[in-house]
Amino acid sequence: GAGVSQSPRYKVAKRGQDVALRCDPISGHVSLFWYQQALGQGPEFLTYFQNEAQLDKSGLPSDRFFAERPEGSVSTLKIQRTQQEDSAVYLCASSPAGTAGETQYFGPGTRLLVL
Amino acid sequence: AQSVTQLDSQVPVFEEAPVELRCNYSSSVSVYLFWYVQYPNQGLQLLLKYLSGSTLVKGINGFEAEFNKSQTSFHLRKPSVHISDTAEYFCAVFSQGGSEKLVFGKGTKLTVNP
Repeated sequence: GAGVSQSPRYKVAKRGQDVALRCDPISGHVSLFWYQQALGQGPEFLTYFQNEAQLDKSGLPSDRFFAERPEGSVSTLKIQRTQQEDSAVYLCASSPAGTAGETQYFGPGTRLLVL
Repeated sequence: AQSVTQLDSQVPVFEEAPVELRCNYSSSVSVYLFWYVQYPNQGLQLLLKYLSGSTLVKGINGFEAEFNKSQTSFHLRKPSVHISDTAEYFCAVFSQGGSEKLVFGKGTKLTVNP
C-alpha cells in the first residue's frame, strides 16, 4: 500500500527557469489536489482534479502555473519562468472518491528553491 | 468563504504535561473539520476529523478534539505529551460548494521538552 509519492523531493532552479513537479497519487484515487506551503505558513490550495478533469484552478497564483493529469492518475505541476516568490513546498494530496469530508492523503512534498 | 485561525504559532510544553492547541473557524455553512500533523520533512498526516455526530472526536496517538459550534472552535488536546509529539499541527476546514479543497490555518509548532 504505497502512499502518495512526489518527485523530485528537492529542486533548485535559477530565476526564469521552467520546472515540472510530479505527483503519483494512491492507486485508484479519483481526486488529486495541489497545495503550496510557504515557509512558516499552512498549505494553500492551488488546484483540484477529479480523474483527468481539472475542476478548480482558482488557487493558481498566475498564468505561469499549469497543472495536468492527462490519464487520471499521475499529475504534473509546471511552473514557467520561475520567480523567487515561487520558492515553497509543493504538496500533492489524493482522496478516494472526492466526496465531502473525505480524508486527503498527502505526499512528502517537493521543496522548490528559486535563486 | 471559510477560514481558520490558529491562535498560537508556538506552544512549548514539558514531557508528560497536558496540551491544548486552539483552532477557531468561520463558515456560513455546516462544517467538516480536520487536524493534521506534519513531522519535519514529511507530508501531512491526518490526526482526526469531525464530520457529524459526537462532538468529541478521538484520533491517533492519543489526541482528541472537541467541536463547539457556539464557539466556532475545534481545539486539539492530549492529556500527556511525549517528546515524539514535537511537530507542526494544522487545523483545516473543508470548503463546501465547489471543489473539495481544504482551507488550512497557519499552524502551531508544538515543542515537547524533556
